[in-house]
Amino acid sequence: GAGVSQSPSNKVTEKGKDVELRCDPISGHTALYWYRQSLGQGLEFLIYFQGNSAPDKSGLPSDRFSAERTGGSVSTLTIQRTQQEDSAVYLCASSLVTGQGVDGTQYFGPGTRLLVL
Amino acid sequence: GQSLEQPSEVTAVEGAIVQINCTYQTSGFYGLSWYQQHDGGAPTFLSYNALDGLEETGRFSSFLSRSDSYGYLLLQELQMKDSASYFCAVRVLNTGGFKTIFGAGTRLFVKA
Repeated sequence: GAGVSQSPSNKVTEKGKDVELRCDPISGHTALYWYRQSLGQGLEFLIYFQGNSAPDKSGLPSDRFSAERTGGSVSTLTIQRTQQEDSAVYLCASSLVTGQGVDGTQYFGPGTRLLVL
Repeated sequence: GQSLEQPSEVTAVEGAIVQINCTYQTSGFYGLSWYQQHDGGAPTFLSYNALDGLEETGRFSSFLSRSDSYGYLLLQELQMKDSASYFCAVRVLNTGGFKTIFGAGTRLFVKA
């Protein structure tokens, strides 16, 4: 597609349920990022994929969070046993990764607004 | 550790010039980016500086001083639509490859 797409756009769930968030990056972009943004706050890095591998998972807040990417394209972020503090906007971005000195501009999707009741 | 500092909010009047500063402490620094985010929207890329100096793109300019670990975003001829949050982000190279670290954002309020 023309841009990064994410689904669902909004998700309301009950505490303790599992949720799965999806990201479709821009075609041909090898790098994919997940961020979390709470209301009025900055971007919290969660995980980064280069192709199908995740060289940096340092931002995942707990073992309830996991992510995978298949075929070098679509990625899913799964949150198990959701807690109220997981409520936030989850943003996905993709970029071309071309090496030193090149900006690696990230193109963001519209986000998934997650509300855990 | 890695850290970025930028002011939490700035207020300016329409037509004026405003400068949003960003200082960083990182290892493996490669470049500094700026992103704009309107309420309810996704961040969008504004500029990237890998080398010292000023980069100009229309009403927006971005500056980097690698020796001072400092950069800024300059917005000229402010318009109401410029009211948004502005994030500086550093691109670093660590053992996991390239990574982008975002600041907490500066909320810009443009008044008539």
